[in-house]
Amino acid sequence: EVQLLESGGGLVQPGGSLRLSCAASGLTFSSYAMSWVRQAPGKGLEWVLVISGREGGTSYADSVKGRFTISRDNSKNTLFLQMNSLRAEDTAVYYCATRGAGNTGPFDNWGQGTLVTVSS
Amino acid sequence: SYVLTQPPSVSVAPGKTATITCGGNTIGSKTVHWYQQKPGQAPVLVIYYDSDRPSGIPERFSASNSGNTATLTISRVEAGDEADYYCQVWDSTSDHVVFGGGTKLTVL
Repeated sequence: EVQLLESGGGLVQPGGSLRLSCAASGLTFSSYAMSWVRQAPGKGLEWVLVISGREGGTSYADSVKGRFTISRDNSKNTLFLQMNSLRAEDTAVYYCATRGAGNTGPFDNWGQGTLVTVSS
Repeated sequence: SYVLTQPPSVSVAPGKTATITCGGNTIGSKTVHWYQQKPGQAPVLVIYYDSDRPSGIPERFSASNSGNTATLTISRVEAGDEADYYCQVWDSTSDHVVFGGGTKLTVL
């Protein structure tokens, strides 16, 4: 059974930084593209970033480009999200998810999410 | 940027059929996935590659994709189907993943 466990969320002031982690188990982690998807309180799902399995290629939503960085450590089965210059509008539950084969693949496994609150 | 449009809400009586649409420019040429999200829970994939069901998803869930509209159909709706439903595609032009705004399904 695939399990994804996010951690690192919390309260941060505007302009601050936070690093999220997603520990994966039950899968060959390096074979999967991984993504972060967020959901602001009471709002819909918003894709944030994706990183490919082995090559490490990335793609970012315009709303976070230049501020957020996605990375992974395949030796530790862990995905990371470095968030800098945080804004109030970044407040959301952040989910990590595996993406099926290729760019058109579905998000077939999701973590339970970690809440990030940006507020003074 | 590519936009997916869903109705904010759909209501249906138990035992009836619910239809949730997802509109997008020539969406029929794209691959569509559908997710179910119940309150306080992570999303769950219910339909992938336009019309396939993951293991464990009831046959009551089906979908199609053609022209400018993708459609999720839930037959013989049950109270437990009450949730938010999201469609999703990958836009090759921007290399971005796009979600629809979500549809809240209410079982009357």
